[in-house]
Formats: sequence, structure tokens, C-alpha cells
Amino acid sequence: DAKTTQPPSMDCAEGRAANLPCNHSTISGNEYVYWYRQIHSQGPQYIIHGLKNNETNEMASLIITEDRKSSTLILPHATLRDTAVYYCIVRVLSTGFQKLVFGTGTRLLVSP
Amino acid sequence: EAGVAQSPRYKIIEKRQSVAFWCNPISGHATLYWYQQILGQGPKLLIQFQNNGVVDDSQLPKDRFSAERLKGVDSTLKIQPAKLEDSAVYLCASSIHSGERFFGPGTRLTVL
Repeated sequence: DAKTTQPPSMDCAEGRAANLPCNHSTISGNEYVYWYRQIHSQGPQYIIHGLKNNETNEMASLIITEDRKSSTLILPHATLRDTAVYYCIVRVLSTGFQKLVFGTGTRLLVSP
Repeated sequence: EAGVAQSPRYKIIEKRQSVAFWCNPISGHATLYWYQQILGQGPKLLIQFQNNGVVDDSQLPKDRFSAERLKGVDSTLKIQPAKLEDSAVYLCASSIHSGERFFGPGTRLTVL
């Protein structure tokens, strides 16, 4: 199973872009990169996922390098409510079902 | 759309006592998951149901933990007897097959 490496914490000023990196150097060709976040005292929330191409939705953008060994989640205009732990996850296959394995994530602190 | 419901939100028990958690998934979601999240760590999958059948329980400590999903809807997770190291947040999630997970708010268990 591919593993991910994320910085334990990051800071960002409100209104600025938050760029959260993730390394997944052992990712396989058919494995997707998923991002979830967990705001304090809540369950994790799905943000975005991608395979090869860059992806964008109303919450964030996902940039995946051409060799797929790393990716960056971009929150274009961070707000105080974006303070959370962000998990980069590589989806693995387990007995035919897709298993998500959470690491320890990056704790993002958005300050005024 | 109503989210994943869990109860209770908080529970304090003494070691060797038993405890049960309840989860009501999003209507129509066939797959249900129970995760354990110890403070400072990412969620760890305990058990995954597809309808009322178990797909993956490889991480479930079966000597003390049990889970069921009668009629393929609601689910309960039980711990008997509890140990100090079971103190954690227990998260329930559901999905349509193995797609995007929707998490509930969790139950915070403290074992004294």
C-alpha cells in the first residue's frame, strides 16, 4: 500500500492561498490521491480527489505532479474556518473494496 | 440531505465496563464504516459493512469489540470489557458502495 508524507503543521494568513504538500512516492498507477479535512470535534470531510490530471471544485484545487509522486492541495483564499487537520490519502484496494488509510495529516492554522 | 447520525456524543465509563455506540447512516448508503481515532492520530478503520454483511474487520479487536448492522441500515458497535486504551473518538461513516465517505460527528469515549 502506498504511504503518504505530510508536514505536521502549517500556518497561513487569512485571505492568502494555503498550499498543502503531500509526498506519495510509491503510488501505483491505478491509485487515486484523496484529500479529507477534519475540523476540531467533527468527523472528516471529503475535499477532492484525483488520479493524474489537476482537479478543481468549489472547495479546493488539487495539483498532481507528472510523475504522480507528489501533490499539492490549494485553498485559494483561506478563511479562519479552514483551520483543520488535512489528510492526504492514497486509495488502496482491499478484497475488492476501496480502503482509505488515514495518516496523521497536516494541521493548518489560518490566522487573521 | 440528513447526515450520518451518531449517539451518544460523549460517554465516560470505568475500565471493564461495557459500552455501545449507535450509528444511523445516510439513507440509501449501502456501505457503513466504523473508525477509531485516538488523540493525535488519524482515524483507523475498525470494520466495514456492505449492506448487512462484513467486508473488512481485520483491524477489529474481536476479543472485546463487536459490531452489527441489522437490516442493512443502523449499526451498533460494542466494547466489552473496555480498557483504558479504548479511550478515543469512534466515528461512523457511510458511502454509496465504496465512494466518498460521509462521516458522523463521532462519539468521544473516555475510559477511567
